[in-house]
Amino acid sequence: QKEVEQDPGPLSVPEGAIVSLNCTYSNSAFQYFMWYRQYSRKGPELLMYTYSSGNKEDGRFTAQVDKSSKYISLFIRDSQPSDSATYLCAMGMDSSYKLIFGSGTRLLVRP
Amino acid sequence: DSGVTQTPKHLITATGQRVTLRCSPRSGDLSVYWYQQSLDQGLQFLIHYYNGEERAKGNILERFSAQQFPDLHSELNLSSLELGDSALYFCASSPSFSTNEKLFFGSGTQLSVL
Repeated sequence: QKEVEQDPGPLSVPEGAIVSLNCTYSNSAFQYFMWYRQYSRKGPELLMYTYSSGNKEDGRFTAQVDKSSKYISLFIRDSQPSDSATYLCAMGMDSSYKLIFGSGTRLLVRP
Repeated sequence: DSGVTQTPKHLITATGQRVTLRCSPRSGDLSVYWYQQSLDQGLQFLIHYYNGEERAKGNILERFSAQQFPDLHSELNLSSLELGDSALYFCASSPSFSTNEKLFFGSGTQLSVL
């Protein structure tokens, strides 16, 4: 079993829809939770960063962490075609120097 | 633009060969991380250097090695290449050595082993 599980998609939605992307994990020691966006043939770029449980909002993006369920989510409101990309969740902890990435969910927002 | 520079962007080589991938971190960043991304394995951590010293190793093969130079640029050396080594190789940098920091990724080197 992988430490971090993420549905690969693809997820296809119409423009303006609310998108929900999710990851589950098995290691309860994870403390830092991140979402990266990766356009085709580009490097991942950090979208959202959350420490421990709770919600964080930034514009059209909201990240949620539920440590009791070992489940994190990224919501995108009023989705745009420019949001079409692969979204990777990533997790880390103080006792380790590496981030563990999910395999990514490919999102397509149709005009 | 993340500020992290990777060269070359594309590399095509044959099995058994040796290649070197280069990374220049963002100005002021002391940490360099190398990741491998393939379709079936996702983004896999290879190795981490901080200020010239190796800090952590992930799923890095013995045929692969890396180093970080005094000017903080890093090189990833891949030898005795196999078809399965074909992948996107990313370098990322951050200011210090903690995993709670944001990583800034370069655009990657696409390696094709034929």
